[in-house]
Amino acid sequence: AQSVTQPDIHITVSEGASLELRCNYSYGATPYLFWYVQSPGQGLQLLLKYFSGDTLVQGIKGFEAEFKRSQSSFNLRKPSVHWSDAAEYFCASLGNTDKLIFGTGTRLQVFP
Amino acid sequence: NAGVTQTPKFQVLKTGQSMTLQCAQDMNHEYMSWYRQDPGMGLRLIHYSVGAGITDQGEVPNGYNVSRSTTEDFPLRLLSAAPSQTSVYFCASSLGQGISPQHFGDGTRLSIL
Repeated sequence: AQSVTQPDIHITVSEGASLELRCNYSYGATPYLFWYVQSPGQGLQLLLKYFSGDTLVQGIKGFEAEFKRSQSSFNLRKPSVHWSDAAEYFCASLGNTDKLIFGTGTRLQVFP
Repeated sequence: NAGVTQTPKFQVLKTGQSMTLQCAQDMNHEYMSWYRQDPGMGLRLIHYSVGAGITDQGEVPNGYNVSRSTTEDFPLRLLSAAPSQTSVYFCASSLGQGISPQHFGDGTRLSIL
């Protein structure tokens, strides 16, 4: 069955440090992949998406993600984290069911 | 442009009570869906609708009913609330099913005692 795995439940980084959040998917064909961010008390906001083409995609708020077929991964990165990036991040994939399958999320904490 | 509006934001119910969570969108989106979010489990799809008059079950539909009489509204009904339905509920809408980015409401935090 199609699934999305986010291995890190909680990550803590210092402000200004680089960030990488991991996401692995399981699906036979190339899925459509998404990263969403959820600030406290808010709904989810789309950061970026990958459908095809260039495997490095740029998103909002300075985030980027790289699709690696050989590793079934779609990791989210940011070169320099800001305190306002503290939130929960969800990776999601869209497979042949046309429904989004979400990972369990990674909570990011940023220290000054 | 309000986007996706969910009401109420918070609600406490007793076991066995019924309740309707409201969801409205003003973007003329055809596709709407309801998710529940539980700690350590991400978001799970409850029900969805691809247009007015059409609804279908998602991953965790038991205990919930939906209807879609208009394009704008997609209410979620709990007929007899159970403690296992304590969760945060999110409504989302998009232009279509599939690759269209979903727009989420701010959620309804529901506690069942």
